[in-house]
This record gives sequence, C-alpha cells and structure tokens, in this order.
Amino acid sequence: NAGVTQTPKFRILKIGQSMTLQCTQDMNHNYMYWYRQDPGMGLKLIYYSVGAGITDKGEVPNGYNVSRSTTEDFPLRLELAAPSQTSVYFCASSHSDSSGGAFFGQGTRLTVV
Amino acid sequence: QQQVKQSPQSLIVQKGGISIINCAYENTAFDYFPWYQQFPGKGPALLIAIRPDVSEKKEGRFTISFNKSAKQFSLHIMDSQPGDSATYFCAASKSGGSYIPTFGRGTSLIVHP
Repeated sequence: NAGVTQTPKFRILKIGQSMTLQCTQDMNHNYMYWYRQDPGMGLKLIYYSVGAGITDKGEVPNGYNVSRSTTEDFPLRLELAAPSQTSVYFCASSHSDSSGGAFFGQGTRLTVV
Repeated sequence: QQQVKQSPQSLIVQKGGISIINCAYENTAFDYFPWYQQFPGKGPALLIAIRPDVSEKKEGRFTISFNKSAKQFSLHIMDSQPGDSATYFCAASKSGGSYIPTFGRGTSLIVHP
C-alpha cells in the first residue's frame, strides 16, 4: 500500500514551458486535492476532485488545469509556466467523509526560471 | 478570507517544556478539526483530530483542546522533544458533502535539547 505517490520530486522549468505533475493513490479514495505550499503561507488549494470525472477550482486555480479520468490518478497541468508558480506542490486524497483526515504525497518542488 | 487562523507562526521551546499552538475558525459548519505534522522535505501527516462533540482528545503527549463557543482549538505537546521539531498545521472541514480541508498557515516548532 504505497498511499499517495507524486512524480517528479524536483523539476526546474523555464518560463513559458509546460509540464504535468503526476499523482496516484491506491487507497480507493474518492476525494483528491492539489495544494501549493509557499513559505509562511500554509497550504493553498489549487483544484480538487470528489470523484472520477468531477473536478472543481480551489482558492488559486489560475495557470493550472486538472483531470480525473480514474479514481486513482489526478494529474496537475501547468501551462505557460511563470516564476509565480515556483512552489512546492502536494497532492492529497481522503475518504468522502472526513474520517482519517487527508493523506499527502511527498511533494514536488518546482522552480520556474 | 482566511477561514482558519493559526498562531504563533513560530515557536521555540526547551526540551521537556509544553508547546502550545492555537487556531481559530469562522465557519460554524466545520465539524472535523485535524492537526498535521510536517517534517522538512516531507508531506504533512495527520497527527491527531477532534470532533466538536468532545472538548479534549489526548494521544500520548499530544492533546487537542476544543472550545466550541469560542470557535477555537489548540494543540498541546507535553514534554516536548527535539524530534517534535516540525511544522504543524491545523485544519477544519465539514463532513457530508464535499470534504475540503481548510488549513491554517502553519507553526514552525523548534525544540532545543
């Protein structure tokens, strides 16, 4: 049982490039989330999904896109990377009720130069 | 609008002392209040959680105190150890429907030996 797996762990992008952050979970959780973490600012919700085929915007969705074709996978797409997207990105998942809290991946540290 | 306010932003405690981190929330519909612990380079991990039907929950050296009327909850770490040095996040959510955790900004705890 691997939990939540994110790839890659580190990435450097040039301004204007695009990339996809991968996230997969093996706990059969319906709910999945993408957060970004900036120093002193906590965790900001980018997008979330309550099930396959259903996604919705969080607090800071601009510049990102997501899809949820399966229960297991929830990739985050960055189009036209900007320096403001330099951050640590975390994927998380949870049961559809609130029991057990959210399970987080190890994070992806992204630098846009 | 920050729905969960966390303080202090940083905390330094001597080994054996008590660490106290406070959070206040605004949405009275919240009914699940977890605390997460995050070590450098890792994702947050659920530490302890409480529901508003109890005023206190204890797990080992970690205790959550909950004050429903004041809309506040706090984490107490008794006999703090250097291994407790980490960033702590409080969160709040409502069960039923969409469980979307709202996080505080985090507290960086350093426990000196």
